[in-house]
Amino acid sequence: DSGVTQTPKHLITATGQRVTLRCSPRSGDLSVYWYQQSLDQGLQFLIQYYNGEERAKGNILERFSAQQFPDLHSELNLSSLELGDSALYFCASSAQQGYGGYTFGSGTRLTVV
Amino acid sequence: GENVEQHPSTLSVQEGDSAVIKCTYSDSASNYFPWYKQELGKRPQLIIDIRSNVGEKKDQRIAVTLNKTAKHFSLHITETQPEDSAVYFCAARQNYGGSQGNLIFGKGTKLSVKP
Repeated sequence: DSGVTQTPKHLITATGQRVTLRCSPRSGDLSVYWYQQSLDQGLQFLIQYYNGEERAKGNILERFSAQQFPDLHSELNLSSLELGDSALYFCASSAQQGYGGYTFGSGTRLTVV
Repeated sequence: GENVEQHPSTLSVQEGDSAVIKCTYSDSASNYFPWYKQELGKRPQLIIDIRSNVGEKKDQRIAVTLNKTAKHFSLHITETQPEDSAVYFCAARQNYGGSQGNLIFGKGTKLSVKP
């Protein structure tokens, strides 16, 4: 267990629908990052939050949005889903100060049918 | 912004041989370089990292070297085993006076170790 909790582990939904992915960071980590990984693809950075505020944005579609709540958990909302949104979505967390890598959660596998 | 190039994209070795994966980065302000291993369908896991004030770091069969002047760093795996088969990602990050920037990842190297 990495300490980063993602739910649900699997999600199957139809095109046009909306889903919410949830992430609880490791205890003490203030930063949360969301990544998308399609089949045989690398880690595509979507968005970062630090202590409730958006810090950086990557290649995140307008149909996608995220937020970080006062208890530091984060949610990634995906709407108007398309077949191409099927992917593994990872959340990672890190401490903001000093050196250190990210700790990744186990991911949510989204299948759009 | 930072850009990280990773080579090769695939690497196949015989069990017991060494494997080397190379990455280059563009921003000289980057000062932290982790490597992640991702097994099929699982989360990326940090296997080793290096800071810019260190030239080499070793952990059992894994080592990372950093050349700041040339802006490249490499992962070396010796005595490879079938369980080393996975996708490996390098990354680089700037550190702004103690406050961390984002990790920028390379595109990954799929390592296959043949028994």
